[in-house]
Amino acid sequence: KAGVTQTPRYLIKTRGQQVTLSCSPISGHRSVSWYQQTPGQGLQFLFEYFSETQRNKGNFPGRFSGRQFSNSRSEMNVSTLELGDSALYLCASSLDRENVLTFGAGSRLTVL
Amino acid sequence: GQSLEQPSEVTAVEGAIVQINCTYQTSGFYGLSWYQQHDGGAPTFLSYNALDGLEETGRFSSFLSRSDSYGYLLLQELQMKDSASYFCAVRDGAAGNMLTFGGGTRLMVKP
Repeated sequence: KAGVTQTPRYLIKTRGQQVTLSCSPISGHRSVSWYQQTPGQGLQFLFEYFSETQRNKGNFPGRFSGRQFSNSRSEMNVSTLELGDSALYLCASSLDRENVLTFGAGSRLTVL
Repeated sequence: GQSLEQPSEVTAVEGAIVQINCTYQTSGFYGLSWYQQHDGGAPTFLSYNALDGLEETGRFSSFLSRSDSYGYLLLQELQMKDSASYFCAVRDGAAGNMLTFGGGTRLMVKP
């Protein structure tokens, strides 16, 4: 079966712009989590969604938001981009809150 | 809140055994997971320990001691392809079951 699909894979933005990243989970998976990965900070938890509801949010400013649709696809949005937002954004899906997450390849965002 | 500590880097030779430690602090521990990530790739699940003891999956084993808030990943018969970053992660029941990752251990396997 298809894995977790993230689009776009790479993107370049400038400071002040906004960006929307998309994640399509494995078919049947209803839980979607987002992580930010930077060289110095490892994997930082952003949000977790289940059945269109945000169940958890990490310690990120309000510029970071997300949502989940009825088909379990999820999007995250970052507004007013800053240089420090340059990172790999990873999406992971699972049936529910198991400990086995399946990650997508990520969206690499560069902010200039 | 929760925090996880693991070494930033480990180097070993092909065929050797290496142990990657992880200590954690949580207020509602559910279990310890391990993920592997090759450069440019996505993290992939390796193992999960909810109870004390050793879980073995082929060349990889994972150990947990809940009383010591400590676990490790043991890699045997190291191969060059094992060069990757390894992350421990805990799901904290007191933090909304959020899955938190450690900073990762970069393993370099040398011939």
